[in-house]
Amino acid sequence: EIVLTQSPGTLSLSPGERATLSCRASQSVSSNYLAWYQQNPGQAPRLLIYGASGRATGIPDRFSGSGSGTDFTLTISRLEPEDFAVYYCQQYGSSLFTFGPGTKVEIK
Amino acid sequence: EVQLVQSGAEVKKPGESLKISCKGSGYSFTSYWIGWVRQMPGKGLEWMGIIYPGDSDTRYSPSFQGQVTISADKSISTAYLQWSSLKASDTAMYYCARRDYGGKWLDYWGQGTLVTVSS
Repeated sequence: EIVLTQSPGTLSLSPGERATLSCRASQSVSSNYLAWYQQNPGQAPRLLIYGASGRATGIPDRFSGSGSGTDFTLTISRLEPEDFAVYYCQQYGSSLFTFGPGTKVEIK
Repeated sequence: EVQLVQSGAEVKKPGESLKISCKGSGYSFTSYWIGWVRQMPGKGLEWMGIIYPGDSDTRYSPSFQGQVTISADKSISTAYLQWSSLKASDTAMYYCARRDYGGKWLDYWGQGTLVTVSS
């Protein structure tokens, strides 16, 4: 079973700053099988990035994903107030989905 | 518009049974897998399992195999998650989500059902 690790656990930044979130897999993951989600407090998760770098419908272009193999990155170019949330990466393999533990982006 | 609408919050006692639902609309319900995700209070997302309503093919996370049952009634475009004997540790928010057609991610999510198990 592939285990996902996200770092940092918490990222303290100010609006307008750049956020870089990391997701590392214990084994190589197909890029097509890596996704990122955003969860705001009290809300359901929302798909942000699919296939490691594709933006989901309606997602602003300040969100971008990259990476391959075991190392993947979610970048938010300039943080808006609504971007302060928890972000999860997810992979698919052997008919199973796995989520990372999440990174909380908080206001500094 | 694709929508997944889940049943309302539940408060149950340990040992009781429960079945929560997730109704899909705005798309071909039988053509997309529906998954269930648990989120315990203050914790992250845990994938529980997934069902293909077209033929009821079901896969479970090893962590949840035998603990819950996932089913679907395609005639009313509804997926279910059920417990035969609840435990306090089942207290959590439960989300259903649609797996993207041909993809390996969850593109639409329900609003969540809060299940509280307490004596």
